[in-house]
Amino acid sequence: GEDVEQSLFLSVREGDSSVINCTYTDSSSTYLYWYKQEPGAGLQLLTYIFSNMDMKQDQRLTVLLNKKDKHLSLRIADTQTGDSAIYFCAEIAYSGAGSYQLTFGKGTKLSVIP
Amino acid sequence: DSGVTQTPKHLITATGQRVTLRCSPRSGDLSVYWYQQSLDQGLQFLIQYYNGEERAKGNILERFSAQQFPDLHSELNLSSLELGDSALYFCASSAGTGGNTGELFFGEGSRLTVL
Repeated sequence: GEDVEQSLFLSVREGDSSVINCTYTDSSSTYLYWYKQEPGAGLQLLTYIFSNMDMKQDQRLTVLLNKKDKHLSLRIADTQTGDSAIYFCAEIAYSGAGSYQLTFGKGTKLSVIP
Repeated sequence: DSGVTQTPKHLITATGQRVTLRCSPRSGDLSVYWYQQSLDQGLQFLIQYYNGEERAKGNILERFSAQQFPDLHSELNLSSLELGDSALYFCASSAGTGGNTGELFFGEGSRLTVL
């Protein structure tokens, strides 16, 4: 079955880069995702990468995908206090009857120190 | 604001009781998903409905049930509650059946505390 693993905590200083890592198991996943959960809120899609890509950049966010090692990372440049949140890695799998299901990791809590 | 509305935001109840959590999906979204978030288990997929029909089932206990109504809102029923059911329950919606973009829109969650 699918399993997504990520470290639980990361602490960085404001202005530094943050790198959040994730490993997944389903090699047939066509898309991999990063969701962000701010305190007291639901999850929000941050970015995603198609499995035939190695890298995707979107402003301060860089997603790297190593399909051979099934490793996904999210780099946040110039980390700000507003980036403090829980970041979830997720993979998609076909669950039958034309439906797809996301499997989430347990989330990495990013704490930004001013 | 994701456009997904969940009620109640907080709920405190006793063991053995039954509660109903309600979700209104984003306007136009046909799929509704329920997730349970706890500290030890992370975010666990419970069940998905698409246009009123059950589409996928995850780690949902037999004591739990859900349905999606013709107006597309959904309810998650939790019965014979146990202490371990205390968690944050999220509803999410999507336009199709999850598709290949995997973009789900999450509500703010219903925090259930079982005493």
